[in-house]
Amino acid sequence: GQNIDQPTEMTATEGAIVQINCTYQTSGFNGLFWYQQHAGEAPTFLSYNVLDGLEEKGRFSSFLSRSKGYSYLLLKELQMKDSASYLCAVSPRDDKIIFGKGTRLHILP
Amino acid sequence: DAGITQSPRHKVTETGTPVTLRCHQTENHRYMYWYRQDPGHGLRLIHYSYGVKDTDKGEVSDGYSVSRSKTEDFLLTLESATSSQTSVYFCAIKAGTGRDNEQFFGPGTRLTVL
Repeated sequence: GQNIDQPTEMTATEGAIVQINCTYQTSGFNGLFWYQQHAGEAPTFLSYNVLDGLEEKGRFSSFLSRSKGYSYLLLKELQMKDSASYLCAVSPRDDKIIFGKGTRLHILP
Repeated sequence: DAGITQSPRHKVTETGTPVTLRCHQTENHRYMYWYRQDPGHGLRLIHYSYGVKDTDKGEVSDGYSVSRSKTEDFLLTLESATSSQTSVYFCAIKAGTGRDNEQFFGPGTRLTVL
């Protein structure tokens, strides 16, 4: 079967760093994605990992370990606008992407 | 913007009526998807298409059908709407594989079945 797990909710403080973890078990692996979704809006693409290691893009970084079925999204210098849900998604094969239930991140001033 | 629109954006209907949602893209992408998003469940795949007239089922396909007669349009039909189909429906498109494997999402359709 296919399973993607991530925490339901997290809280962090403005200016701090937060790490959102994701573990997955899928029948195949063709890449892992992170999406951001603000309340009432569509998901938007943040990052893509297919090889082990860290991908950095501005304040956001994403890490992948394929052998452990594990990824994390690291958000630095948190801003109030980072309050959103963060969706971990895995592509088990070329034509499909499976989503986790998302982590709702609350930023406190 | 990825050039993807959905219509209608909001709809209220009654149990037992047929409903069709439309997804339109201007990117000429091969893959198109319909998801529903519900609290506590995240995004769940209903149906997807990998080309004109080529479709396949996702994990929650019961009660839904799809059609794709043109590259740019992907229709989702609820043959006889039920209250359990009240949800937010997102369409997504995908160019290809590898680094082009990411999906771009439409703005969503909020459907309420009374």
